[in-house]
Amino acid sequence: DVKVTQSSRYLVKRTGEKVFLECVQDMDHENMFWYRQDPGLGLRLIYFSYDVKMKEKGDIPEGYSVSREKKERFSLILESASTNQTSMYLCASSPWTGTYEQYFGPGTRLTVT
Amino acid sequence: QKEVEQDPGPLSVPEGAIVSLNCTYSNSAFQYFMWYRQYSRKGPELLMYTYSSGNKEDGRFTAQVDKSSKYISLFIRDSQPSDSATYLCAMDSGAGSYQLTFGKGTKLSVIP
Repeated sequence: DVKVTQSSRYLVKRTGEKVFLECVQDMDHENMFWYRQDPGLGLRLIYFSYDVKMKEKGDIPEGYSVSREKKERFSLILESASTNQTSMYLCASSPWTGTYEQYFGPGTRLTVT
Repeated sequence: QKEVEQDPGPLSVPEGAIVSLNCTYSNSAFQYFMWYRQYSRKGPELLMYTYSSGNKEDGRFTAQVDKSSKYISLFIRDSQPSDSATYLCAMDSGAGSYQLTFGKGTKLSVIP
């Protein structure tokens, strides 16, 4: 079974703090994704990576950056957290070829106060 | 027009009912179709995966794709309270972008 883990289930940070969200997958998947999920807005793609050190902007990259130094690990960074970044953050991974399904982690509920 | 439309519900049914969940889409290039189940405060889990048109059955769940109508469905037979969750459809064209297009999800409650 594919396993995607995220470093925290719940996180509370203050406005202006730098926040790191970590994601690790154990299936040797090439592609990794960061989404945020908000009521009424569904899943929105922030960034994705199709290889180590490669990254592509998604639909809402503003205020976020990412890092992928190792194949299994993909980090989301909030450089200066703001209250409008309070959300559920979901990491996902998918294989490079064949099928296109994505496998999700449990999510991190981030609250910025 | 949004690429994927999904009725948000909520949908409430009695235990044992047959549930029909649906998505419509506008991009005729979509070929890969998925259904995810998401319990409250958890990440989505892949439930069904279908390529192109046709039906796929897995236990109480049946996924149906009608590409001519740009319409996909998920049927749940003999629904159980444990099926109460939000169901999201997702799809991809297979053109190499690896970015799924998701519906916003339908919230289902199965009442005992």
